Amino acid sequence: AQSVTQPDIHITVSEGASLELRCNYSYGATPYLFWYVQSPGQGLQLLLKYFSGDTLVQGIKGFEAEFKRSQSSFNLRKPSVHWSDAAEYFCAVGIFQTGANNLFFGTGTRLTVIP
Amino acid sequence: ETGVTQTPRHLVMGMTNKKSLKCEQHLGHNAMYWYKQSAKKPLELMFVYSLEERVENNSVPSRFSPECPNSSHLFLHLHTLQPEDSALYLCASSLNMRVRAGDNEQFFGPGTRLTVL
Repeated sequence: AQSVTQPDIHITVSEGASLELRCNYSYGATPYLFWYVQSPGQGLQLLLKYFSGDTLVQGIKGFEAEFKRSQSSFNLRKPSVHWSDAAEYFCAVGIFQTGANNLFFGTGTRLTVIP
Repeated sequence: ETGVTQTPRHLVMGMTNKKSLKCEQHLGHNAMYWYKQSAKKPLELMFVYSLEERVENNSVPSRFSPECPNSSHLFLHLHTLQPEDSALYLCASSLNMRVRAGDNEQFFGPGTRLTVL
């Protein structure tokens, strides 16, 4: 069965520091991979996605993620964090099954940014 | 209005009440989804509709009843809920659910925060 693991429940970084959020997935084939961000009181916004091709994908707001098949990972990175990046981040696996594109989410990582 | 909207944003109801959540998408999409987001748990897919036809029901209790009258509107009717049903309910839409395509991104609404007393 497919699953998504985000091992870090909460991460605190200083503004201007680099960031890496971890995501591991379990799925038999190459999945579609996504990172979403959720600000307080808001819905989820797509940051970036990977389907095929270049394993380093660029997203919005200066985020990037790298797909590593050997490690079943899709970690999210940002070289310099801004205070406005404080939010909850969700990794998701998209699987086409039973005629539906279904998303399976991790439990999320809450990011706190300190001045 | 643009994107995906949900009303109400907050709802408090008793266990004997009947209420409905509404979702509307202004993106011209053909697929709509209901998710439940509980604290410390992954988002759970509840229902999927494609062209107003329900194509997925992930073992959701019958006290949750979805309705999709057209491709722009999705409702979640609630009755005799339990306190453990308190959660954020998110609606999403995508262009074409049946296409295994890289562009089939799901767009989410802001959610309805439901509290069952």
